[in-house]
Formats: sequence, C-alpha cells, structure tokens
Amino acid sequence: AQSVSQHNHHVILSEAASLELGCNYSYGGTVNLFWYVQYPGQHLQLLLKYFSGDPLVKGIKGFEAEFIKSKFSFNLRKPSVQWSDTAEYFCAVILDTGRRALTFGSGTRLQVQP
Amino acid sequence: DTGVSQDPRHKITKRGQNVTFRCDPISEHNRLYWYRQTLGQGPEFLTYFQNEAQLEKSRLLSDRFSAERPKGSFSTLEIQRTEQGDSAMYLCASSFSRGKSGANVLTFGAGSRLTVL
Repeated sequence: AQSVSQHNHHVILSEAASLELGCNYSYGGTVNLFWYVQYPGQHLQLLLKYFSGDPLVKGIKGFEAEFIKSKFSFNLRKPSVQWSDTAEYFCAVILDTGRRALTFGSGTRLQVQP
Repeated sequence: DTGVSQDPRHKITKRGQNVTFRCDPISEHNRLYWYRQTLGQGPEFLTYFQNEAQLEKSRLLSDRFSAERPKGSFSTLEIQRTEQGDSAMYLCASSFSRGKSGANVLTFGAGSRLTVL
C-alpha cells in the first residue's frame, strides 16, 4: 500500500511565482516527515525534515513545510521560486512501526521558467 | 562530495550477467540502505543494515539480489542473472541513529546506474 502520495506530478511555474507541493501520507501513528530534492544530474539532497515540535519547519533555500496532523499532510512551500529551483521534489516518511527506512512518494517535477 | 560513495557510477551489461555495486557510507554512520529508482518514480526501498546485520529486505529484493555489509562499513549489492527489468539507478544511503525511535536522517550517494541490454 502506498504510504505517501504526491498528487502533483509535474508543475510549471514562472520565476517569482509561489509554490506549494502537496504531500499526504496514510498512517495514523507517529511519523517523521522529509522533503528531498534532486536537481538535474545530482544526488538526492535533504531539503527539510519534521520530527516533532513546531509543525512549521524551515529548510534550505527558502523552503518551508507545514505538518498538519489532522489532514495527514506535509506540504512544501516557497513564496517566490527561482529558475534554479527546477528539480524533482520527493516527500518521504518514516513510520513508527520499527522499520527505520524512508518510504518515498513518486515525486513532483518542478520546472521554473525564466 | 556527498560523503556516500558509490561505484561504479554506470554499468552496462548483457542480460544474464552478474553485476556488483559497492557503497562506502559516511564513516561514523551505523545504518546503510539500498534503494532502487526508475525513471519518473521515487526511490523504492530494497534493504538496510544496522552495522553488519541485515535487518530488513523488501519483497522487491528477489533471490537474484544479495547484499552484504561484512564489517559494518562498506556494502555490496550483487544482482545475479540480470534481466532487462533490473535496469534502474541503485542508490545507497547511510545514517546514524540510536535505537529504534531515534531521529534518522539519510544521506544519499550519487547512485549506480545499471543498464541491462
């Protein structure tokens, strides 16, 4: 069963537009949540993470994400995108089932046009 | 330099041949993970080690696949009798985590791309 859903498969924005990428997970227990980014030709890099505490987490390069437990969501946001944000973005989750491996969503390809 | 090294970066092989990939994790990391990523998909979990112990294997890991981490440092992933469906990027990641519920942040390598002709 898919634990992580990313509904936007491909998003095209102009520079300076605001970004919100959706991520939902299907698990009622405790979760650790992550966003990873993969720039063209590069390896996966951690963008931000949520373990506990303040549900609004800030990451690198001006990205932030909000954990809304009631909606099982962890959406990624950026107020103003740049051409250099063109990349694939993956939401991932670790469940508190004892398994300590990340489960990834299928990814969202973001294309920012100059 | 990500700190997690994978070798080779690219491998082209003919169907039926065996291939082996190597991963060198960040030195102080006790956990090591293997994932597979195909085009347009997110990485799929294959297996992971805590130190030298292989703690979990995915159903994706058929009996043609075997992974080892003999001394709790580097790891190898071997695919025997490769099939065209094995063509993918094989990713290695490592992390340091205390216990089952400790915070666990994975650092990924650049991956080994396998093409089976």
